Amino acid sequence: DVKVTQSSRYLVKRTGEKVFLECVQDMDHENMFWYRQDPGLGLRLIYFSYDVKMKEKGDIPEGYSVSREKKERFSLILESASTNQTSMYLCASSRRILLGEKLFFGSGTQLSVL
Amino acid sequence: DAKTTQPPSMDCAEGRAANLPCNHSTISGNEYVYWYRQIHSQGPQYIIHGLKNNETNEMASLIITEDRKSSTLILPHATLRDTAVYYCIVPGTASKLTFGTGTRLQVTL
Repeated sequence: DVKVTQSSRYLVKRTGEKVFLECVQDMDHENMFWYRQDPGLGLRLIYFSYDVKMKEKGDIPEGYSVSREKKERFSLILESASTNQTSMYLCASSRRILLGEKLFFGSGTQLSVL
Repeated sequence: DAKTTQPPSMDCAEGRAANLPCNHSTISGNEYVYWYRQIHSQGPQYIIHGLKNNETNEMASLIITEDRKSSTLILPHATLRDTAVYYCIVPGTASKLTFGTGTRLQVTL
């Protein structure tokens, strides 16, 4: 089975801190995604990457950046964390979607910014 | 991305079939329809996907209308463990999946 691993299940940070959320997948997938999930808003796409060193903005990229130096690893960076970035963050990976491939999700990181 | 519309919530009695509808009237000819579900506090889980023909796997069946403008996910014998939020998604040409708010299915005794 494909495994998508997020480095932390729960994380507590202070306002203004730089925060790194790490995601690793073990199936050589081309695509990787970062979503955030808030009550009543569903999952919203922050950034995605379809290849090493490639990235595309999703629907809500403001306040975030990403890094993909290796195919298996996709990092989400909060340059200066703010309280409105308190959320559940979900990482996912897939082969190319247009070929009918499925998306595999990690278990999520619940980030609290105080 | 083709926009999808789902009812916000549905109830289903345990043991009965759960039929979850989805409208995707702007879908284009080569776009797949995907269904995922999310059980509380977990990451979303893939259920099934299809292009034109009806599909069935060990989890569910997917019925896509002939004009492809709507589809129905069928859980043939719902159990309490099927209580979850169900997402219907049509990815766009950018190969990204955009999730809406889905349908919250409550399976009851």
